[in-house]
Amino acid sequence: DAGVIQSPRHEVTEMGQEVTLRCKPISGHDYLFWYRQTMMRGLELLIYFNNNVPIDDSGMPEDRFSAKMPNASFSTLKIQPSEPRDSAVYFCASSPTRAGTGEQYFGPGTRLTVT
Amino acid sequence: AQSVAQPEDQVNVAEGNPLTVKCTYSVSGNPYLFWYVQYPNRGLQFLLKYITGDNLVKGSYGFEAEFNKSQTSFHLKKPSALVSDSALYFCAVPGAGSYQLTFGKGTKLSVIP
Repeated sequence: DAGVIQSPRHEVTEMGQEVTLRCKPISGHDYLFWYRQTMMRGLELLIYFNNNVPIDDSGMPEDRFSAKMPNASFSTLKIQPSEPRDSAVYFCASSPTRAGTGEQYFGPGTRLTVT
Repeated sequence: AQSVAQPEDQVNVAEGNPLTVKCTYSVSGNPYLFWYVQYPNRGLQFLLKYITGDNLVKGSYGFEAEFNKSQTSFHLKKPSALVSDSALYFCAVPGAGSYQLTFGKGTKLSVIP
């Protein structure tokens, strides 16, 4: 199993540009999570999906952020327009219902730098 | 709201010595508790979890955690530290939704050769 796949691994963009982060969860996992990690704020849950449906997006910082999951094998997190304070490492994680509460499998992350 | 606290930003231990990374929790009802590890430039990896049963939970890479209800603690332990254990360790508790997690701020473990 290839694990959770994220792309790109690194992204450098200028303020105001649109950024799209991509995630392929582990096959058969029906939960997908997007997190953001910074030194100041630690690890924050942004949004999570169950069977491709967004369940809780209360962690999405503002309207500039949006996430979609068009099918069971793909999700995107979009920032438009991007700002320097969005610089962080963004992680995608997936989990199968059969694992029970809390056992999540994380991707390697996308390091975003907005200049 | 359910939460965990990791009182130490950093723990240093000599290779071969026992290590402890501390976590205290605040939950209603029976707690579900988790430990994750993050190696440099990697995503988090699940180490172990406490759901119910024995207070000593064994996990990956020789780690174990002790659940203590009276002290509301769930400390991570290993009898003999390895340099390769150097990483960031997170304690976690389920959030508002049963499948989401709320993580502590993390503790950086450095094992000194």
